[in-house]
Amino acid sequence: DAGITQSPRYKITETGRQVTLMCHQTWSHSYMFWYRQDLGHGLRLIYYSAAADITDKGEVPDGYVVSRSKTENFPLTLESATRSQTSVYFCASSDPGLAGGLSHEQYFGPGTRLTVT
Amino acid sequence: AQSVTQLGSHVSVSEGALVLLRCNYSSSVPPYLFWYVQYPNQGLQLLLKYTSAATLVKGINGFEAEFKKSETSFHLTKPSAHMSDAAEYFCAVSRSSGGYQKVTFGIGTKLQVIP
Repeated sequence: DAGITQSPRYKITETGRQVTLMCHQTWSHSYMFWYRQDLGHGLRLIYYSAAADITDKGEVPDGYVVSRSKTENFPLTLESATRSQTSVYFCASSDPGLAGGLSHEQYFGPGTRLTVT
Repeated sequence: AQSVTQLGSHVSVSEGALVLLRCNYSSSVPPYLFWYVQYPNQGLQLLLKYTSAATLVKGINGFEAEFKKSETSFHLTKPSAHMSDAAEYFCAVSRSSGGYQKVTFGIGTKLQVIP
């Protein structure tokens, strides 16, 4: 199916373990984003990517690593998980090329609920 | 700098009553403004957006929002609430920054609809 998917949808891991959250989109959007959603904070940007092999830090990047070797995939890795990284993670994509560059609308995946014990 | 402030993290309305969710923004340049809706256990989806074409913006499910530059507001309204409107609503402001779309989200307003 077309769209943006995330896997796994739920994950429980232990402190100190490495975990990778996957994100895949079928629209060939150039921009992709990772957010975390926490009560009282709304959505905060972790990392973004403007194109394959181009990534940059967002508001809360510490403890996370991203890569983007292909346009459609944007995995997020927690190198050594901590309890403070327990959160719901959302991947999003957008393509300002649509609608004459004025759209800037983001399309979100269903989220991954991560619990670090 | 840009930011959004959503007044009221929880709003309760009776079914059939007016829905009013408040959003104020600050932006040093003319903004793109959005309202997103999040249903339980789902991602965010676009409700409506303001891109300077018209100050009154109509969205899906009967929602609309009015951009008021003098008040730096972009409040979301719906004349008559339906049970299916129960969800969390996020206001967001976006602008291009060095070729990158920088989006700042509000903390969200959870709407409860009482039968």
